[in-house]
Amino acid sequence: EVQLVQSGAEVKKPGESLKISCKGSEYSFANHWIGWVRQMPGKGLEYMGVIYPDDSDTRYSPSFQGQITISADKSIHTAYLRWSSLKASDSAIYYCARHVNPTMRKNGMDVWGQGTTVTVSS
Amino acid sequence: QSALTQPASVSGSPGQSISISCTGTSSDIGNYKYVSWYQQHPGKAPKLMIYDVSDRPSGVSNRFSGSKSGNTASLTISGLQTEDEADYYCSSYTTSSTIVFGTGTEVTVL
Repeated sequence: EVQLVQSGAEVKKPGESLKISCKGSEYSFANHWIGWVRQMPGKGLEYMGVIYPDDSDTRYSPSFQGQITISADKSIHTAYLRWSSLKASDSAIYYCARHVNPTMRKNGMDVWGQGTTVTVSS
Repeated sequence: QSALTQPASVSGSPGQSISISCTGTSSDIGNYKYVSWYQQHPGKAPKLMIYDVSDRPSGVSNRFSGSKSGNTASLTISGLQTEDEADYYCSSYTTSSTIVFGTGTEVTVL
């Protein structure tokens, strides 16, 4: 079964760093763009950015540029989302998702991780 | 990049058809065929229902269909069923080389 499995829930303090992961299986991980999506409590979906694991080509949405770092290690079929200094407003569910067509990042996302809940509180 | 505009809620009775609109601009929906629709049940990850305006992924019921005219896209659910009750989000590729989601629509089956 094609799937993305994300790392577990995190509870952190403001100012701390965090890196969450997203591991793909049963498909050519290197050749599908992986996007990251934020969902704040009770709110809608926000596209944060995307990475092509084969060459780590990365694009960020303007609202998230400079706030996060997206990376990937194709050898272990894993993408990452990292914060260097968390804020309370980073509390949300974060999803990774695979773009449906190989090599394309413009269209829909057909395989989603289960989500990682990040709670930032002093 | 502002979120695409969707109605906050849409409702219908079982068996009826409903449509959800998604309004953008010439910088997103109006400029590309890359409109997608997602269904999200409470506490679950989103599920892709439509991509590239009107294509259905394998396994998605043909009761779901998509279309686009100008800067507005639409999702139609025909033969409404209780399991269709969920939140629905549209998305589009944009001239800023990123993707923008809609504000979301809560579908209620009466």
